Amino acid sequence: GNSVTQMEGPVTLSEEAFLTINCTYTATGYPSLFWYVQYPGEGLQLLLKATKADDKGSNKGFEATYRKETTSFHLEKGSVQVSDSAVYFCALRSGGGADGLTFGKGTHLIIQP
Amino acid sequence: DTGVSQNPRHKITKRGQNVTFRCDPISEHNRLYWYRQTLGQGPEFLTYFQNEAQLEKSRLLSDRFSAERPKGSFSTLEIQRTEQGDSAMYLCASRGGPNTGELFFGEGSRLTVL
Repeated sequence: GNSVTQMEGPVTLSEEAFLTINCTYTATGYPSLFWYVQYPGEGLQLLLKATKADDKGSNKGFEATYRKETTSFHLEKGSVQVSDSAVYFCALRSGGGADGLTFGKGTHLIIQP
Repeated sequence: DTGVSQNPRHKITKRGQNVTFRCDPISEHNRLYWYRQTLGQGPEFLTYFQNEAQLEKSRLLSDRFSAERPKGSFSTLEIQRTEQGDSAMYLCASRGGPNTGELFFGEGSRLTVL
């Protein structure tokens, strides 16, 4: 079956630090990959996505590259801000007609000023 | 467009009672999804609709759970004979179709079963 594994949190960084949140997956077919973010008190929002191998998704200074050879989709940002504090979820949608997203457990990111 | 709306936002009930949650998707979206999220976990897929047709159901959706979308607009998720293990956040999401990948999520309905 499909599964997503992401690094456990909380991850605590200082402002302007470099961020990496690891995500690896197991899936049938050729999945699309997503990062969602949940800010305190808000619903999940799509942060970025990639639909095929070697695609890079980017948004708000965040990036992630779809690596089929390592089945990974690590999230990176060069310089984090306090406003990036949130819970980040890696997710996939596999091909073959299945439409539901499979999520990882989430990584709580805390950025200190 | 006000986004995906869910209500009630919070529900506290006693074990054995029935509860119903409502989701109003973004108006032009024909696909509607239900997920469940427990503390410290990611959302788990429950079921989805394309218009009024329920096309996929997770094994997580026991016989006590039923979802409907009678006119292809809003949807309801009913849990009968609630158990403490049903305590969770129930999330609804919608999107426009198979080639529009982004899911838009509501803020969720939190259920506490005492």
